[in-house]
Amino acid sequence: QQQVKQSPQSLIVQKGGIPIINCAYENTAFDYFPWYQQFPGKGPALLIAIRPDVSEKKEGRFTISFNKSAKQFSLHIMDSQPGDSATYFCAAVQSGTYKYIFGTGTRLKVLA
Amino acid sequence: DAGVTQSPTHLIKTRGQQVTLRCSPKSGHDTVSWYQQALGQGPQFIFQYYEEEERQRGNFPDRFSGHQFPNYSSELNVNALLLGDSALYLCASSLRYRQGVGDEQFFGPGTRLTVL
Repeated sequence: QQQVKQSPQSLIVQKGGIPIINCAYENTAFDYFPWYQQFPGKGPALLIAIRPDVSEKKEGRFTISFNKSAKQFSLHIMDSQPGDSATYFCAAVQSGTYKYIFGTGTRLKVLA
Repeated sequence: DAGVTQSPTHLIKTRGQQVTLRCSPKSGHDTVSWYQQALGQGPQFIFQYYEEEERQRGNFPDRFSGHQFPNYSSELNVNALLLGDSALYLCASSLRYRQGVGDEQFFGPGTRLTVL
């Protein structure tokens, strides 16, 4: 029940495409869902996060869609660029605990 | 404003040895969490420190221990190293949850530990 399932494992898109990464969770106590971007040899960097009281959140080219009834959320990257090539992780946490449960990651490659 | 810093960057040890990793949280943060990230995997929660005490722990054996100092910096100690302990060890800092402050956690660059 503590797992967060992430898919796909890897993704290749052309420049300007819209990659979509999906995550699903079971524990209904989770109420904060961040996405992190990680480049090789670096720590994860917070991209965007959402709470269950909204169905969508946009920050720049990044959008999170959230489906509370399905217990699923996804990351969309608009107008993707080669510089977006990285590994993306979703996470879920029960507010106040900071005990993040991470997905297994999606390796994104954006072709020039 | 310095972010989360970790030292050393890389470390090579042999099986059975002991290792200590260090972390300084982001300025103004008082809570430190440690994660283990195996190659190709997502980070796994090890434990969390607040007010110099371990507050939460993940599914890691007692060989993993830690400490938090009065200045909020933290150490992760691993005893009796195994080959499987080879990983990137990440420190994350945050503000202890307060109403309206939020749940954001910021990660350091990590320490790459290799056990031979």
